[in-house]
Amino acid sequence: DIVMTQSPDSLAVSLGERATINCKSSQNILYSSNNKDYLAWFQQKPGQPPKLLISWASTRESGVPDRFSGSGSGTDFTLTISSLQAEDVAVYYCQQYYSVPYIFGQGTKLEIK
Amino acid sequence: QVQLQESRPGLLKPAQTLSLICTVSGGSINSGSYFWSWIRQPAGKGLEWIGRMYTSGRTDYNPSLKSRVTISMDTSKNQFSLNLNSVTDADTATYYCARMTGSGLFDYWGQGTLVTVSS
Repeated sequence: DIVMTQSPDSLAVSLGERATINCKSSQNILYSSNNKDYLAWFQQKPGQPPKLLISWASTRESGVPDRFSGSGSGTDFTLTISSLQAEDVAVYYCQQYYSVPYIFGQGTKLEIK
Repeated sequence: QVQLQESRPGLLKPAQTLSLICTVSGGSINSGSYFWSWIRQPAGKGLEWIGRMYTSGRTDYNPSLKSRVTISMDTSKNQFSLNLNSVTDADTATYYCARMTGSGLFDYWGQGTLVTVSS
């Protein structure tokens, strides 16, 4: 299985400041035939299902604010929120979809400082 | 807009079988191109993929649950189902159904249903 490890487990950032969440996979999730990283980022607010924010490591889904960005390749990935808003308080998960079983990171809880 | 809604089984006793149904609206589960999945989340914890089914009948399960899980589909009702047998306290969680693209992305989710296993 490909294990996904996020850091930190929790993070407190001031409004308007940058938030950075890291995700590391135990194996390369870059598929060489199409040069795509099979890495997604989700946002989950209390009482809600996860919401897909970013696919292919760096492609924002429709309607996702451009303050959210994803980067990285191979085994190391980052989700960045450039200017934290109050509505961004949530738990964030990375997930590999390179191979079965699909594995999520343990989550990073993002709060306002 | 695709919408998914889980049934609500509520409280189970240990050793019983968990049965959940996901009703899909706004699109046909028989349209091809998509897998239909189950994912669970214990309270305050992370997400665990349970398994998926394609319209061809192909299924893939998480090895950690494979011996106890069956996912099936009723295309006439636009529903897919999860059966998990021999439940224990460890199976207490919110269970989500989700649509998965051919690439493996979970793009639409149900609101989730809480299943509690307790004697």
